[in-house]
Amino acid sequence: SQQGEEDPQALSIQEGENATMNCSYKTSINNLQWYRQNSGRGLVHLILIRSNEREKHSGRLRVTLDTSKKSSSLLITASRAADTASYFCATLAETSGSRLTFGEGTQLTVNP
Amino acid sequence: GAVVSQHPSRVICKSGTSVKIECRSLDFQATTMFWYRQFPKKSLMLMATSNEGSKATYEQGVEKDKFLINHASLTLSTLTVTSAHPEDSSFYICSALHRTGRGRTNEKLFFGSGTQLSVL
Repeated sequence: SQQGEEDPQALSIQEGENATMNCSYKTSINNLQWYRQNSGRGLVHLILIRSNEREKHSGRLRVTLDTSKKSSSLLITASRAADTASYFCATLAETSGSRLTFGEGTQLTVNP
Repeated sequence: GAVVSQHPSRVICKSGTSVKIECRSLDFQATTMFWYRQFPKKSLMLMATSNEGSKATYEQGVEKDKFLINHASLTLSTLTVTSAHPEDSSFYICSALHRTGRGRTNEKLFFGSGTQLSVL
C-alpha cells in the first residue's frame, strides 16, 4: 500500500467537538507535514513536525509523531464549521530529495 | 508567508488543443517547483519536479512529451498539456520549494491554488 495512508477517510462531527486524524507511513522520514485543502483549491500548509520531535502545537492544532510506529496524528480542538476541508499528511523521506509523498486524505465535515 | 500564484484557475478546451498553466513564486525564488495532478476526492500525485535551468524530472508513468515543463526563471514554471484529451481533465496543482535556511528540515512547500482543466 501507499506511503502516507490516512484514516479515517471521512469524519463528520459537530461544532465544538475535537477531530482526530491519523496518518501512517512506511519509510524513514526527515519530517512530516499536514496540509489542508478546501474543495477545488490549493493546499495550505498547517504544521511541520521533524523526525526528532514527538509533539507540536499550533493554535488549535496538535500533531504527534511516533517514528517507532511510523504514524502521526492531527488533532483539531474545538472545531468550527470553517474547519470543514480535506486534510492530508505528507512525508519527506530521507532519500526522496525534496519530494513530498501525500496520504489519501481525510475529509472532515464540521456541522454547525 | 510565501505566496505562489497559479494561473489560470480554470480552463475549458477542445480535444487536441494545448493548454499552458503558469506557476509563479511571488515573493521568493524557487529553484525547485513541483507539479501534481489530483482526481476528485483523491490525493495528490506527483507528476514531475521542475528544476530551474535544467530539464524536469518526471515520475514513472508520466509522459514527458505530453506534459511539457519549463522552468526558465527562478520564479516561474510552466506546465503545458499538449494535445489535450478528455482523460487529461483533472485538477493540476503546482508547488514551490521555499528554503528558509540550511538543511532539508528548513524546506517548506507553498502551493498554488490549482487549475481545473476540463477537456471537451
